[in-house]
Amino acid sequence: KAGVTQTPRYLIKTRGQQVTLSCSPISGHRSVSWYQQTPGQGLQFLFEYFSETQRNKGNFPGRFSGRQFSNSRSEMNVSTLELGDSALYLCASSRTGTGLSGANVLTFGAGSRLTVL
Amino acid sequence: DQQVKQNSPSLSVQEGRISILNCDYTNSMFDYFLWYKKYPAEGPTFLISISSIKDKNEDGRFTVFLNKSAKHLSLHIVPSQPGDSAVYFCAASAPDSGAGSYQLTFGKGTKLSVIP
Repeated sequence: KAGVTQTPRYLIKTRGQQVTLSCSPISGHRSVSWYQQTPGQGLQFLFEYFSETQRNKGNFPGRFSGRQFSNSRSEMNVSTLELGDSALYLCASSRTGTGLSGANVLTFGAGSRLTVL
Repeated sequence: DQQVKQNSPSLSVQEGRISILNCDYTNSMFDYFLWYKKYPAEGPTFLISISSIKDKNEDGRFTVFLNKSAKHLSLHIVPSQPGDSAVYFCAASAPDSGAGSYQLTFGKGTKLSVIP
């Protein structure tokens, strides 16, 4: 079955601009999570969506936002970009996102690499 | 405050020998631990997990050990193969807070190089 698909894979923006990243989860997966990966901080949790509702949010400023559509596809948006937002943004999906078991571990996409100049 | 720590940024091992990757955590609420492997230009791939009620879990060449009293877990790869060369992330999760969701807290990763 198809994996988690993220678009675009690479993009370059300048400070002050905004960016929208897209994620299509595995078919049947209703939970979508977003993580930011940077060399200094590793992978950090941004937020998690289930049935179009944000259920959990990490410690990121309000410039980072997201949403989920009825087909479980998700987008995240970063407004007023800063140099420090340069990172790999990873999307992950799971069936329900509740409870951890072999059936509910996160499956990650390849990521969207954002460079802010 | 880093709740999951992988203190070795890199590790080199000869092919056929054992690779041991270590991870320490500080949050006593963590009850589930996972290892992910990441190749360049790809997303992390789930490798193996362990619940806090166990102290060992095996899957083929991969074994994860959990020492709750020391708040330490390790991943053993035996025998190591060149294809195992990747960055390995340790991750942990606490029980559902009631919001119906969980999040993973990751370490910063250890780059494993298996030398032929």
